[in-house]
Amino acid sequence: RKEVEQDPGPFNVPEGATVAFNCTYSNSASQSFFWYRQDCRKEPKLLMSVYSSGNEDGRFTAQLNRASQYISLLIRDSKLSDSATYLCVVIGDDKIIFGKGTRLHILP
Amino acid sequence: DTAVSQTPKYLVTQMGNDKSIKCEQNLGHDTMYWYKQDSKKFLKIMFSYNNKELIINETVPNRFSPKSPDKAHLNLHINSLELGDSAVYFCASSQVGRAANEKLFFGSGTQLSVL
Repeated sequence: RKEVEQDPGPFNVPEGATVAFNCTYSNSASQSFFWYRQDCRKEPKLLMSVYSSGNEDGRFTAQLNRASQYISLLIRDSKLSDSATYLCVVIGDDKIIFGKGTRLHILP
Repeated sequence: DTAVSQTPKYLVTQMGNDKSIKCEQNLGHDTMYWYKQDSKKFLKIMFSYNNKELIINETVPNRFSPKSPDKAHLNLHINSLELGDSAVYFCASSQVGRAANEKLFFGSGTQLSVL
């Protein structure tokens, strides 16, 4: 099992719809989890941290399931500007590991 | 003000040349990193420095040598460039010295093309 795995997509979603994707991780001792967003030809930027209790930031909700070892990102009322690649990041044993990203295309 | 800045943005060079990429952060962070993102978009850590001290050195050819003159700068020098070195190189910084709960701030990337 890879350390961090994501469905590469692309997810093609109509504007206004809700979309969710997951990221699985193999190290059960992982401590911290994040979602980053990367636009084409740009640098990754932190979107949100992921907490055990789940957290919400506007239209974005992130959740952590330690028992099944995955994190999720839910985007409600999707906008054209949400089109990007979403990278999950898992930190454990002093290692920062990026997933390969999930590409999201919001269709007008 | 750009928080993490790296230069140049584009670098086109011939095989066998030696080149450097510079990175500076004005966030007051203790830790800086170099990441490589290849054509498959996989972002992989290369090096990490904390207060000018090397703390992570992944399996990277020794043609790559990072240099940190102070904690605000981490430069990457590459000797004898090869075709496979073509990629986007990102510099990043974070507040804390150890990885737990690190939030990374990235530079805008250097697109290296080796011909």
